[in-house]
Amino acid sequence: LAKTTQPISMDSYEGQEVNITCSHNNIATNDYITWYQQFPSQGPRFIIQGYKTKVTNEVASLFIPADRKSSTLSLPRVSLSDTAVYYCLVGDGNNAGNMLTFGGGTRLMVKP
Amino acid sequence: DTGVSQNPRHKITKRGQNVTFRCDPISEHNRLYWYRQTLGQGPEFLTYFQNEAQLEKSRLLSDRFSAERPKGSFSTLEIQRTEQGDSAMYLCASSLEGPHNEQFFGPGTRLTVL
Repeated sequence: LAKTTQPISMDSYEGQEVNITCSHNNIATNDYITWYQQFPSQGPRFIIQGYKTKVTNEVASLFIPADRKSSTLSLPRVSLSDTAVYYCLVGDGNNAGNMLTFGGGTRLMVKP
Repeated sequence: DTGVSQNPRHKITKRGQNVTFRCDPISEHNRLYWYRQTLGQGPEFLTYFQNEAQLEKSRLLSDRFSAERPKGSFSTLEIQRTEQGDSAMYLCASSLEGPHNEQFFGPGTRLTVL
């Protein structure tokens, strides 16, 4: 499985754009990149998934360069409620029925 | 359907006791997963079911752990002879069959073993 590396923590202020970068140097051809968000005392929640280039939904954007060795989750105009842990996951979806392999995640603190 | 539910939300037990947790997945989801999460770490995969069949178990799942999904709907996770090291959040997730499908997580059961 491809190993992911992301910053342990980040601080931001309300209204700013936040970019969290994840490194996955040994990503395989069939691997997808998925981000989950987790609030304290809750289960993780799917944010966005992509294979290459750029993906955008109502919550976030995901930027993936051509070599796919990294990806950047972009959260536009964050609010206090975006304070959470963000996990970058990489996998081909066929390992143990698409089991998810979480790293340590990035703890985002949004300040007023 | 209101999503994945787990019961109880909290469980405090004494070392050596048995505990059982329940997970009710989203009704049309045929895949169900159990994860364990300790403080400051990401969730770790324990096991998964496709319908009623348990198809994969992590090495983290010792002989004291057993999971069932008897009718392919709800699932139970039992821990026998609990140890202090079993203290963690136990998360259940469900999804449709197929690669890359989104997994929907429940709120978890927080186990404290005294």
